[in-house]
Amino acid sequence: GDSVTQMEGPVTLSEEAFLTINCTYTATGYPSLFWYVQYPGEGLQLLLKATKADDKGSNKGFEATYRKETTSFHLEKGSVQVSDSAVYFCALRFGNEKLTFGTGTRLTIIP
Amino acid sequence: GAVVSQHPSWVICKSGTSVKIECRSLDFQATTMFWYRQFPKQSLMLMATSNEGSKATYEQGVEKDKFLINHASLTLSTLTVTSAHPEDSSFYICSARAAGKSTDTQYFGPGTRLTVL
Repeated sequence: GDSVTQMEGPVTLSEEAFLTINCTYTATGYPSLFWYVQYPGEGLQLLLKATKADDKGSNKGFEATYRKETTSFHLEKGSVQVSDSAVYFCALRFGNEKLTFGTGTRLTIIP
Repeated sequence: GAVVSQHPSWVICKSGTSVKIECRSLDFQATTMFWYRQFPKQSLMLMATSNEGSKATYEQGVEKDKFLINHASLTLSTLTVTSAHPEDSSFYICSARAAGKSTDTQYFGPGTRLTVL
């Protein structure tokens, strides 16, 4: 079946460091890909998405590019802030079917 | 943005007891609600989908008699874990979607951590 694999956390970085959180997927066909973020005490929020190969999703300084060749959707940010500390979930979906999530990666940014 | 709340945020119960978790959409009407479960170091897994006024649709492998879902109103869904056992200890998350909105427009609650002793 479909699955999403994320890098294991936790990830701890200093403020202004470059961030990469790896995400790869296994699926038959070409799903839509998503990154969700969960800040402490809050629900998951959609951060960005891409619906077809080579699309780049971006929001709040974060970017991820849908790479069909490597079945990847790595999340990147050039300069992280303390406020980016959260749990990040990669997910895939076909059409209007259910979301398939990864395990989540906890990110902590230290001043 | 839209807000979904869950209550309680954490609960500890004895084995054999039942626990009810509430999920409320605070500022919109949720025609569809979803219940997820996450075990430590594992993926967030969809348990069931419920539409207001009708029976929930459970994912394969989820016991419907153990995890009772009631979506009696457009702003409230409840998940009752019946005769809970330690293996039911998990993080339970609900999400809600308004009528006519795409699946992208799901608003998630903050989750409920259940510990069964």
